[in-house]
Amino acid sequence: LAKTTQPISMDSYEGQEVNITCSHNNIATNDYITWYQQFPSQGPRFIIQGYKTKVTNEVASLFIPADRKSSTLSLPRVSLSDTAVYYCLVGDGLTGGGNKLTFGTGTQLKVEL
Amino acid sequence: GAVVSQHPSRVICKSGTSVKIECRSLDFQATTMFWYRQFPKQSLMLMATSNEGSKATYEQGVEKDKFLINHASLTLSTLTVTSAHPEDSSFYICSARDITRGPNEQFFGPGTRLTVL
Repeated sequence: LAKTTQPISMDSYEGQEVNITCSHNNIATNDYITWYQQFPSQGPRFIIQGYKTKVTNEVASLFIPADRKSSTLSLPRVSLSDTAVYYCLVGDGLTGGGNKLTFGTGTQLKVEL
Repeated sequence: GAVVSQHPSRVICKSGTSVKIECRSLDFQATTMFWYRQFPKQSLMLMATSNEGSKATYEQGVEKDKFLINHASLTLSTLTVTSAHPEDSSFYICSARDITRGPNEQFFGPGTRLTVL
């Protein structure tokens, strides 16, 4: 499983766009990039997943450059409720390990008024 | 859809007792479920992979005789912490994969806060 590196923390204000970048230099050909969000004392929640280029859903966008060695989670117009830890994970989900996920340190996003 | 529940949400027990935590996939079948442990201010650590109808696969350093896992049906996995001690106090989270979804997309339960006195 490829190792990921992301900033420990980020601060932002309500209404701003937040971009969290994750490095995964050893990503394999079959690996997908997945982001999860976790609030205190809750289980993580799936946000978005992608393989290359750009993926967008109702809550976020995921930008993946051609070399796939990094990815950027973009949260448009954040609010106080977006304060959480965001985890970047890389894996193919189809290995003999049965889709197990390895969580890194995550990025603590703090949104203020 | 794709909801995972855990019971209990919080448990306090005396040292030496055993505690059972249930993880259920409410609206989908999960042949594989996962158990994680999370200490304060730390990331999730995978403890074991629970496979329906077969033995669980434990991560390195996790004692299988202390953390008993049973996955008796496609919607239920249980984790039993045997002879619990204060150092076992942690936040235990389960997850399940819905095979109709994309790879690496798992659904997590709300977690169980275990406090061992």
